Amino acid sequence: KNEVEQSPQNLTAQEGEFITINCSYSVGISALHWLQQHPGGGIVSLFMLSSGKKKHGRLIATINIQEKHSSLHITASHPRDSAVYICAVSINYGGSQGNLIFGKGTKLSVKP
Amino acid sequence: EAGVVQSPRYKIIEKKQPVAFWCNPISGHNTLYWYRQNLGQGPELLIRYENEEAVDDSQLPKDRFSAERLKGVDSTLKIQPAELGDSAVYLCASSLGRGGYGYTFGSGTRLTVV
Repeated sequence: KNEVEQSPQNLTAQEGEFITINCSYSVGISALHWLQQHPGGGIVSLFMLSSGKKKHGRLIATINIQEKHSSLHITASHPRDSAVYICAVSINYGGSQGNLIFGKGTKLSVKP
Repeated sequence: EAGVVQSPRYKIIEKKQPVAFWCNPISGHNTLYWYRQNLGQGPELLIRYENEEAVDDSQLPKDRFSAERLKGVDSTLKIQPAELGDSAVYLCASSLGRGGYGYTFGSGTRLTVV
């Protein structure tokens, strides 16, 4: 079982729809990251969370530490939001402290 | 301020040839990471540097991969000889320190071994 699980793997939405991507993890963490990767390969950091909720524009990220679960929401989705969204956690134990463990990503396609 | 700079962006080589990737992290970021990302997968750690010291290289295939971080700033990752299975995106990232800090990623180097 992967230590970081994302769902869904693929998601197709119509422009304007509300989108939710989920992430569950099974290890001790110091923070959870939501990342965006476009086809060119580069990764952009969207959020870093250790508790509660953060909002940036149309993006909202929440985390429930007790349930080891996080969600990324996109309101009023737009075709330019099409990308792979990756959940990653910073490990908080042992010699690997600070290392990131990544989920496999959710490929989002927003149709006009 | 420039982000994490990686070069080259793309590289195509024949198997058994050597290849090298270069990374310039954010100024002042002590921690530098090299990740490998296979198609359809999340990135996996190859090596982590704290300043010039490689503190976690447990996932680095040391028979063919090597890395260095000169003076705790720029870093190079080398593969010699390359194999078909090394085709992937190689990502460099940096952060101020371990845990609790944000990460900045480079654009990656897409390697194709033919």
